[in-house]
Amino acid sequence: DVKVTQSSRYLVKRTGEKVFLECVQDMDHENMFWYRQDPGLGLRLIYFSYDVKMKEKGDIPEGYSVSREKKERFSLILESASTNQTSMYLCASSFPDRGRMNEQFFGPGTRLTVL
Amino acid sequence: AQSVTQPDIHITVSEGASLELRCNYSYGATPYLFWYVQSPGQGLQLLLKYFSGDTLVQGIKGFEAEFKRSQSSFNLRKPSVHWSDAAEYFCAVGPGGNKLTFGTGTQLKVEL
Repeated sequence: DVKVTQSSRYLVKRTGEKVFLECVQDMDHENMFWYRQDPGLGLRLIYFSYDVKMKEKGDIPEGYSVSREKKERFSLILESASTNQTSMYLCASSFPDRGRMNEQFFGPGTRLTVL
Repeated sequence: AQSVTQPDIHITVSEGASLELRCNYSYGATPYLFWYVQSPGQGLQLLLKYFSGDTLVQGIKGFEAEFKRSQSSFNLRKPSVHWSDAAEYFCAVGPGGNKLTFGTGTQLKVEL
């Protein structure tokens, strides 16, 4: 079974703190994604990476950065956490689209609260 | 730009009743279409997917979906709902493994 794990299920941080959310997948997927999920807004893509050290902005990258030093690990960084970044964060991974319909596999999510 | 509309925010059905969740999409090319389910406190799990071929797609847990190009729809159905189907359901569109666009979700409640 594909496994995508996230370092924390629940996290509480203070405004201005630097926050790291870690995601690890064990299926040798090239693509990895970070989403945030908010009620009534569904999932919105923050960043994605299609290879080690490669990244692309998603729909809402402001206030976030990412790091992918190894193929299996994709980190989301909040440089200076703000209360409007309180949300559920979901990591996903997939094979690239090479003519196959490749689904994204999701981790369990990290619920981040910024006080 | 691709987009997905799930017009029903909440749906309540009785256990054993049939279910249909609506999904309308906008996409320039032939779309990849997905339905995911999220149980409380969990990540998303794929129910089914469609790209080409038979427009009626079978998925896990007894779910099916029908692709209708003329209506730009990909509605999810189940003939008889179980209490364990209570969850949030997301429709998504995109080019396969890259940059999916998700709908805002439909919360399903099942009455016993």
